[in-house]
Amino acid sequence: DAGVIQSPRHEVTEMGQEVTLRCKPISGHNSLFWYRQTMMRGLELLIYFNNNVPIDDSGMPEDRFSAKMPNASFSTLKIQPSEPRDSAVYFCASSSDRGSTDTQYFGPGTRLTVL
Amino acid sequence: AQSVTQLGSHVSVSEGALVLLRCNYSSSVPPYLFWYVQYPNQGLQLLLKYTTGATLVKGINGFEAEFKKSETSFHLTKPSAHMSDAAEYFCAVSGAGDKIIFGKGTRLHILP
Repeated sequence: DAGVIQSPRHEVTEMGQEVTLRCKPISGHNSLFWYRQTMMRGLELLIYFNNNVPIDDSGMPEDRFSAKMPNASFSTLKIQPSEPRDSAVYFCASSSDRGSTDTQYFGPGTRLTVL
Repeated sequence: AQSVTQLGSHVSVSEGALVLLRCNYSSSVPPYLFWYVQYPNQGLQLLLKYTTGATLVKGINGFEAEFKKSETSFHLTKPSAHMSDAAEYFCAVSGAGDKIIFGKGTRLHILP
């Protein structure tokens, strides 16, 4: 199994630009999670989907952030417009359940730098 | 609602010494408890988890953790540290049907 796939692995952009992060979950998993990790705030859950439907987006920082899951094998996290404070590592994870007991499998992350 | 507190953002132990990483949780329902490890430039991976049953849980790489309800703790231990154990460790808690809440993490340093 290829595991959770994220692209790009690194992204450097300028303030004001649109950024799109991509995730392919493990085949057969029906829950998908987006996290953000920074030194200051640690690991934060941004949003999670179950069966392609957003269940909890309370962690999404503001309207500049949006996430979609058009099908079971693909999700995007978009930031528009980006700001320097969005610089972080963004992780996607998937599990076979909502995650209450099942293991979450994390991708390698996308390191975003906004100049 | 659940929360988790990891005591010590950095822990240093000598190679061959006991590893003890502390985690306390708060939960209004029976908790499910997890330890994840993150190696440099990688995503998190599960070390072990407690759902129900035996309170002493064994995981990968020689780690284990014990669920102590009376102390609301789930500390992670390993009898003998190896250099390869240097990483960041996250304790996490969830309840039935709830999302997982991660702690702030503890970075483990292994001294030669």
